[in-house]
Amino acid sequence: EVQLVESGGGLVKPGGSLRLSCAASGFTFSGSSMNWVRQAPGKGLEWVSSISSSSSYIYYADSVKGRFTISRDNANNSLYLQMNSLRAEDTAVYYCARAPIVGTFDYWGQGTLVTVSS
Amino acid sequence: EIVLTQSPATLSLSPGERATLSCRASQSVSIYLAWYQQKPGQAPRLLIYDASNRATGIPARFSGSGSGTDFTLTISSLEPEDFAVYYCQQRSNWPPITFGQGTRLEIK
Repeated sequence: EVQLVESGGGLVKPGGSLRLSCAASGFTFSGSSMNWVRQAPGKGLEWVSSISSSSSYIYYADSVKGRFTISRDNANNSLYLQMNSLRAEDTAVYYCARAPIVGTFDYWGQGTLVTVSS
Repeated sequence: EIVLTQSPATLSLSPGERATLSCRASQSVSIYLAWYQQKPGQAPRLLIYDASNRATGIPARFSGSGSGTDFTLTISSLEPEDFAVYYCQQRSNWPPITFGQGTRLEIK
């Protein structure tokens, strides 16, 4: 059974940093592109970042470029999102999602809430 | 950036009725459009990918059609568990990957 479990969310002050993790199991992690997608409270879905299976290709939404860094550890079946210079508008539930077909998200984690507030 | 516009914003129907949800792209996305269902407090679930392919485990009452700029998600006969928010999403021209703003399907 495919499982994606996010962790690392919480309350952080504007300008602060946070590192999200996503633990994957039940599939060949090293063979899948992985992604972060977020959802602000009461709002729609926003793609944040993608990383290819071997980390050769990495993409970001303009809204996070230069502040967020996606990475992965295939040996430990883990995906990460380092978030720096956080802003109030980064407040959202952050989901990790698998993309066996690039850009199509077939499995999602349960999400982790990031709140940026003073 | 490709903008996806979903209509209607809210659709009120009764169980057993047919639901038709639309998604229009600001430029052609070929067939590279997906549909997701999201219930309150839950992660999105992939329903349809590449316009018309049902994802694993998705009931046959869900179907997708369209190409280019106009797409439709049809639920042939609504079940109580189908009332949720539905999003379309394109992967044709990215980054960025973009989502529509969602259609809320509510019980009439």
